[in-house]
Amino acid sequence: DVKVTQSSRYLVKRTGEKVFLECVQDMDHENMFWYRQDPGLGLRLIYFSYDVKMKEKGDIPEGYSVSREKKERFSLILESASTNQTSMYLCASSSGHLTPKRDGYTFGSGTRLTVV
Amino acid sequence: AQKITQTQPGMFVQEKEAVTLDCTYDTSDQSYGLFWYKQPSSGEMIFLIYQGSYDEQNATEGRYSLNFQKARKSANLVISASQLGDSAMYFCAMRERLTGANNLFFGTGTRLTVIP
Repeated sequence: DVKVTQSSRYLVKRTGEKVFLECVQDMDHENMFWYRQDPGLGLRLIYFSYDVKMKEKGDIPEGYSVSREKKERFSLILESASTNQTSMYLCASSSGHLTPKRDGYTFGSGTRLTVV
Repeated sequence: AQKITQTQPGMFVQEKEAVTLDCTYDTSDQSYGLFWYKQPSSGEMIFLIYQGSYDEQNATEGRYSLNFQKARKSANLVISASQLGDSAMYFCAMRERLTGANNLFFGTGTRLTVIP
């Protein structure tokens, strides 16, 4: 069964801490994404990557960075966590086809991060 | 401007009845794809159905069908014979060729509650 795995389901961190959210996919997908989900705002794209060591900013990259050293792993980094980064974080992956593809994305189960 | 608009924050439906969840989109691209995802309380995003902009027939997947009206830029999800397990958040999303294959734009979601 193909999947996207996020390392933590729930996380509590203190303000100012450096936080790593890990995501691993086993589908050999080229593209990987990080979204945050907030009530009333839907899912907003933070960063995405279309290849190893490549990254692109999404709609809300401020306060975040990413790392993709291996094809299967995409890490989201909060350099100095703040309370307004308390949210649900969803990782997703997709194949590299340029035309809209039926299967869309495969999502992980999400990490609910609380910054206190 | 919002690319995806879901105007129903919450919907209720009686078990075994049909329900329509609204979605309108905004794009100048001729080639795009529309997706619906279900998110139960567990947090995972589950792909339900896909409609390509060039598809002439409305997409169907079991109890799910997509009422695609291209001129009106709407892509409503119809769930027939609702079940208690259908209670969840539902997100409409779009991918455009213009912005590359690398981004899904999501609506703010509709929370569906199925009443026994």
